[in-house]
Order: sequence, then C-alpha cells, then structure tokens
Amino acid sequence: DTEVTQTPKHLVMGMTNKKSLKCEQHMGHRAMYWYKQKAKKPPELMFVYSYEKLSINESVPSRFSPECPNSSLLNLHLHALQPEDSALYLCASSLYGDRASFSYEQYFGPGTRLTVT
Amino acid sequence: GENVEQHPSTLSVQEGDSAVIKCTYSDSASNYFPWYKQELGKRPQLIIDIRSNVGEKKDQRIAVTLNKTAKHFSLHITETQPEDSAVYFCAATGIDGLTFGKGTHLIIQP
Repeated sequence: DTEVTQTPKHLVMGMTNKKSLKCEQHMGHRAMYWYKQKAKKPPELMFVYSYEKLSINESVPSRFSPECPNSSLLNLHLHALQPEDSALYLCASSLYGDRASFSYEQYFGPGTRLTVT
Repeated sequence: GENVEQHPSTLSVQEGDSAVIKCTYSDSASNYFPWYKQELGKRPQLIIDIRSNVGEKKDQRIAVTLNKTAKHFSLHITETQPEDSAVYFCAATGIDGLTFGKGTHLIIQP
C-alpha cells in the first residue's frame, strides 16, 4: 500500500464550527506533515510530526491544532476559522522522521478542500 | 531558512518539443531536491528527485540536473505530450523540511 488517504474530500464550515481533518498511511512512514495550499500557490508547510511527536510548527495560528494518535494517523482540528483559511489541506508522509532526515520522498494525500463561510 | 526561486512561471511549448524549468536555492545545507507535478484539482505527485551527491538523474523522458556550486537545479522534459500539461513545483529540503518554488504552469500546444 503506497497511498496516503484523507477525509473528508470536501468540507464547508462556519466560523464558529469545530471540525477535524483526518489523514492515514500504512506505509510504515515515521514522519507526517500538514500543508496548506491556496489556489495557484505552492504547498506551505504547517506542521511536522516525527515519530509521533510534533517537531515543527511553522507559526500557525492556534485555531489549527494537530494531533498524531499513532504512527499511521494524523488529525488536524479546526476551530473558529476565518474565511482566509479556505484552502486545500494536504497531508503527506515520508519514511524517516528524524529531523535531519527530511531528505526522503514525501507522498501526498489527495487533500481536503476546505471552505470557511 | 531556505528560499527557492523557480522560473518561468508559465511555459508554453509545442507538442514534441522539450521543456526546461529552472530553480535556485539559498541554503547550502539543502541536500534533496524533488520535483512534483500537480494537475488541476489533484495532489502533487513526485515525478523525479535528486540528492546532493549526484549531478544528474534521468527517468525516461524526464531528467534533473543539479549544480551545487551555483545552487541551482533544473527539470528537463523531452518529447512533450499533452498529458505533461500541469503545474510543476521544485523543492529543496534541509533540516526544516520541504520548501517549494512558486510553480511553473506548463502548457503543451497541439
């Protein structure tokens, strides 16, 4: 199995809602990532989990809260989002999770298209 | 942190011709340089990558070259086909993860 899966595919939420995005991989990868991608822009790194511990948090607002329940699962909890948070949220994974070992292939999930109204 | 510049932002070529996309990076500690292809509405797909101990890598119609001294790397696509139309992103990674270039929209003209 060489796939990263994400649910849901689409999500529409109001600014007062609480929702969660889910990501799963069964490739035995030890690093998992959340990226945000706006239209016609490159993916922007939000969080990195390395061996189930948060290792990088790129100054993301606290209304985004990541969670890594185990080595195969990654969640992103959303609360009190703003319309400008509407974007494609991509999950990715790579084999090694050591911070000095990001030089390994990252495989992306299909993404969740989030719209905040 | 790392800064990756990518050119051109749009590239239009005739079907069958070659396409070249160029990137530069700033962090000399970067040691891995992947290229991703993203079709409209789909996920980025890794198409080729190169590590800093190699100067060139080829996979069928695509090749990547790396010049560590000049800190630049390039993607070459030969005999372009309609299905090559997409946005291509270069990236570089050091100890802080992947930094992407702004992307190149490749258009293959019939």
